[in-house]
Amino acid sequence: ETGVTQSPTHLIKTRGQQVTLRCSSQSGHNTVSWYQQALGQGPQFIFQYYREEENGRGNFPPRFSGLQFPNYSSELNVNALELDDSALYLCASTLNQETQYFGPGTRLLVL
Amino acid sequence: EDQVTQSPEALRLQEGESSSLNCSYTVSGLRGLFWYRQDPGKGPEFLFTLYSAGEEKEKERLKATLTKKESFLHITAPKPEDSATYLCAVQGGSSGSARQLTFGSGTQLTVLP
Repeated sequence: ETGVTQSPTHLIKTRGQQVTLRCSSQSGHNTVSWYQQALGQGPQFIFQYYREEENGRGNFPPRFSGLQFPNYSSELNVNALELDDSALYLCASTLNQETQYFGPGTRLLVL
Repeated sequence: EDQVTQSPEALRLQEGESSSLNCSYTVSGLRGLFWYRQDPGKGPEFLFTLYSAGEEKEKERLKATLTKKESFLHITAPKPEDSATYLCAVQGGSSGSARQLTFGSGTQLTVLP
């Protein structure tokens, strides 16, 4: 148990819709990172938030956006969903950008 | 750009048959090399962090080692419950202030009873 929780566990959307995924970090962890994992691949870095500000971004378009709240929970928002957005979305929390502890993920299917 | 390549893609072992998984990497200024275990449909579970060449870490039947170009995850006398996908990731200096992880595609390990 990492203490990192994510909701929902599964989600089905249609192309063009918008989705919000949620993550609750381990208590006291001030950094959260989001990753996208396609089937059979390793996770790919989307972005990171440190003390409520975006701290770095991977090679993802602006329709992927996020927020981190004072209680260290966070959100990943994806607009204008595409079929290729179907994946497992993982959040990982850390204290001061050290070892990243992952949540169980949200499985998103875009039809 | 940081890169990680894992081999083999899949490995089937008999219970008790020891083996090694390979992780080759290129990174600009290694901050850390990480091993995770991932069960189907679940998030990666942290196993080890290695920081410098020559470092070794052990946990039960697993031992991770690091050189300047690759890391090995040695599995001694595996059991069926060791079946999982093992992911290797690097954290490089080129990531700037965001210490993101760059992952390989993983090795899917199956241990048969």
